[in-house]
Amino acid sequence: QVQLQESGPGLVKPSETLSLTCTVSGGSITSYYWSWIRQPPGKGLEWVGYIDYSGSTNYNPSFKTRVTISVDTSKNQFSLKLSSVTAADTAVYYCAGGYNLDYWGQGTLVTVSS
Amino acid sequence: QSALTQPASVSGSPGQSITISCTGTSSDVGGYNFVSWYQQHPGKAPKLMIFDVTNRPSGVPHRFSGSKSGNTASLTISGLQAEDEADYFCSSYTNSRTWVFGGGTKLTVL
Repeated sequence: QVQLQESGPGLVKPSETLSLTCTVSGGSITSYYWSWIRQPPGKGLEWVGYIDYSGSTNYNPSFKTRVTISVDTSKNQFSLKLSSVTAADTAVYYCAGGYNLDYWGQGTLVTVSS
Repeated sequence: QSALTQPASVSGSPGQSITISCTGTSSDVGGYNFVSWYQQHPGKAPKLMIFDVTNRPSGVPHRFSGSKSGNTASLTISGLQAEDEADYFCSSYTNSRTWVFGGGTKLTVL
């Protein structure tokens, strides 16, 4: 059973970089696709981007210049960096894996505020 | 990329059937059989209910089913139960090699 767990700061200042890590257990990160999805409070889901088993990435065009997703196979982790954040980036951030977003972390709330 | 279009809310009584639509374009829903549906209870992570338009992951009840016609996909829940009350989101692969979600539908079991 694949399990995912997000970790990172819950508070980020405006204009700074949001950094989150997702640790994968019960499966290898060299399989599947690994995505980040976010959900602003009271709103819907927004796909941020993914990295695949070969290290190839693709991002939501809305974030393309600000987002980087990377993988650390030695730690079975993948990470999200979102730069130049504003209050509009306040959301619950989920990591997810599988070919169909089969597996989800519990989510972590990141608030952008000074 | 534009979000897929879902009704904001649907409702039904226990035992009834409901259908939630998800409308996109030929660049996403209509162009690929890669439509998924997710169930989200308040304060919880989404759960995959349907993938590749019609397939159910192991453990998902048979009363959940999916279909697609043209640019519109649908999720049908038959024999509604109180525990089905949740938000439902569709998603689709796109011709930009990205994924896009619908705005979500709140299902109320009366």
